[in-house]
Amino acid sequence: DGGITQSPKYLFRKEGQNVTLSCEQNLNHDAMYWYRQDPGQGLRLIYYSQIVNDFQKGDIAEGYSVSREKKESFPLTVTSAQKNPTAFYLCASNNFGSTDTQYFGPGTRLTVL
Amino acid sequence: AQSVAQPEDQVNVAEGNPLTVKCTYSVSGNPYLFWYVQYPNRGLQFLLKYITGDNLVKGSYGFEAEFNKSQTSFHLKKPSALVSDSALYFCAVRDLDSSYKLIFGSGTRLLVRP
Repeated sequence: DGGITQSPKYLFRKEGQNVTLSCEQNLNHDAMYWYRQDPGQGLRLIYYSQIVNDFQKGDIAEGYSVSREKKESFPLTVTSAQKNPTAFYLCASNNFGSTDTQYFGPGTRLTVL
Repeated sequence: AQSVAQPEDQVNVAEGNPLTVKCTYSVSGNPYLFWYVQYPNRGLQFLLKYITGDNLVKGSYGFEAEFNKSQTSFHLKKPSALVSDSALYFCAVRDLDSSYKLIFGSGTRLLVRP
């Protein structure tokens, strides 16, 4: 988990609220990613960014938004349009290269009340 | 399209016995393969990767993986399992067609009994 921080560790949201999950890395990595993990399931890619001020939708982007204003930061907003947001959210980063290892943060568990 | 499969949802092994967690892949070119481990309520930890060269890759915590091109497999192995190895293991392949993102398998839960 070293080098990538996510906050908060636990987050509770009421229905209809937007919430923002923080992800910061001090590894000087170019690319950053957000994944969603549901119980008993693998990781699904929400959004990714290869450079500052640019990002692309992953496989399940609906109901989520991101920004990449700084190289070290890639916050994820879970909007009220996301119908089933309760999940474990993981942020990751790597240098932009085909052989580079992707490293993960410790995760944020979001629960909708 | 690139893909990776982990055919076993769970693997059970006794402490001290060898363990194998299976992974097969499908790629259009040279595969870049990764193994990660996840402990409860934690992020994924990198174990090892295969890029090129020796088919036997050694990684963290005594794990190794064998790359087999003819069988398109990249199985994770350890000669002697520990109870502390019990966790969720993910195999991943780099998507060379789409911005080098990782494509993950569904995960295999390893349970090592004392």
